[in-house]
Amino acid sequence: RKEVEQDPGPFNVPEGATVAFNCTYSNSASQSFFWYRQDCRKEPKLLMSVYSSGNEDGRFTAQLNRASQYISLLIRDSKLSDSATYLCVVMGGANSKLTFGKGITLSVRP
Amino acid sequence: EAEVAQSPRYKITEKSQAVAFWCDPISGHATLYWYRQILGQGPELLVQFQDESVVDDSQLPKDRFSAERLKGVDSTLKIQPAELGDSAMYLCASSSYRDSNSYEQYFGPGTRLTVT
Repeated sequence: RKEVEQDPGPFNVPEGATVAFNCTYSNSASQSFFWYRQDCRKEPKLLMSVYSSGNEDGRFTAQLNRASQYISLLIRDSKLSDSATYLCVVMGGANSKLTFGKGITLSVRP
Repeated sequence: EAEVAQSPRYKITEKSQAVAFWCDPISGHATLYWYRQILGQGPELLVQFQDESVVDDSQLPKDRFSAERLKGVDSTLKIQPAELGDSAMYLCASSSYRDSNSYEQYFGPGTRLTVT
C-alpha cells in the first residue's frame, strides 16, 4: 500500500462547480497534513494546512479524519484559475519528512 | 519575496555523462531538501540537509547520486553517470522549521533533466 494515495483523475468541471478531492495515508503516526498546488511545469506551493477541526480559506475547505486516515479538499465555485494539480502531503517521522501523493489534476472549463 | 534559486532550469545530457544541479535556499533556512519528480507523480525526497549535515538520504541512489552542502548554505546535487531513467524534474526546497516551528517548505523552480 502506498504511503499516500489520492483519487485517480483528472477532474474536468465547469466554472462554478464544487469539486472534492480525497486522500488516504497509511502511517497512523503521521503528524501534519497539507494540500499543495502545482501549476503546469511549475514548482509546488503550499495551498493550505489540514487540521482535525477542519479549516476553511475562502472557497477552499480542508478536513482531516485521523481515525480513518483520510484527508479531503473541497473547492466551491470553481474558477478557471483553479486549474492545476493538487498534491496531498503528509508529514511524519524523525526528520518531519514530507510524503507527497501522486497528485490529481483539475481542469475548470468555461 | 525571498525565493529558492536553482540552476540550470533545463539540462539535456547524454547517458553516462555527469550532470550537476545547484540550489540556493532562502536566506536563513537551515533545512534544505532535494526532490525528484517524475512526470505524473508527486515529488519524492532524495536527500535532506540540516545545515551542512545529511539527516535523510535513504532514497538517494548512492551508486550514482551525491549531494553536498559544505557551508550549510547552497547545495549541489550530482549524478554520475546519468541514466535514461533519471529524466525528471529535480526540485530543491528549504524550510526554517527548526527555528520557527513552521513546516512549510518553499520550492525552487526546479531543473528539468532530459537524458538521451
